[in-house]
Amino acid sequence: EDKVVQSPLSLVVHEGDTVTLNCSYEVTNFRSLLWYKQEKKAPTFLFMLTSSGIEKKSGRLSSILDKKELFSILNITATQTGDSAIYLCAVRNTGNQFYFGTGTSLTVIP
Amino acid sequence: DTGVSQDPRHKITKRGQNVTFRCDPISEHNRLYWYRQTLGQGPEFLTYFQNEAQLEKSRLLSDRFSAERPKGSFSTLEIQRTEQGDSAMYLCANSPLAGPSTGELFFGEGSRLTVL
Repeated sequence: EDKVVQSPLSLVVHEGDTVTLNCSYEVTNFRSLLWYKQEKKAPTFLFMLTSSGIEKKSGRLSSILDKKELFSILNITATQTGDSAIYLCAVRNTGNQFYFGTGTSLTVIP
Repeated sequence: DTGVSQDPRHKITKRGQNVTFRCDPISEHNRLYWYRQTLGQGPEFLTYFQNEAQLEKSRLLSDRFSAERPKGSFSTLEIQRTEQGDSAMYLCANSPLAGPSTGELFFGEGSRLTVL
């Protein structure tokens, strides 16, 4: 059975801290891995990763994929209260099906 | 605003009633997905269209759920004889077949269903 597992399920940090969110997967016919941020509305796209070892960066957020060990991490440095959200990991297979993890709920305290 | 429009945004209904949700996708996005999301969970796949063809349907989807995309544009998701366990956020997402955003899902704001 295809599955995506995220950890931790929730995280509470102080502003300025650095956090690392984890996503491991078992999906046949892997095509890409995506990260989304969800506040109290629809998920918004952060990154799409297809190749191992190539870091994607956007401001304070970065992500990397390891296709051999079947996982990805999302790093957020110098966290701000606006980073508080649920972070979703999804894996797309070659059949264009997307499998989502349960998400990591991040709370950043001022 | 991703350009994906869902209607209604909120629906409260009594158990046993039928409900229908509509999704108007980004016009050039051929792929359309329906997901269900409950509190503390990630989106759960329901069904997927490429143009007007329904290519896949979740095995978890009961016969009370049906989706259509008659002209390959907007889509509807109908739930018949609603049950309290159907209470959830129903998300529509689109993806283009080609271009720089291929492989990315664009989500609508969702339709929140509460079954009393």
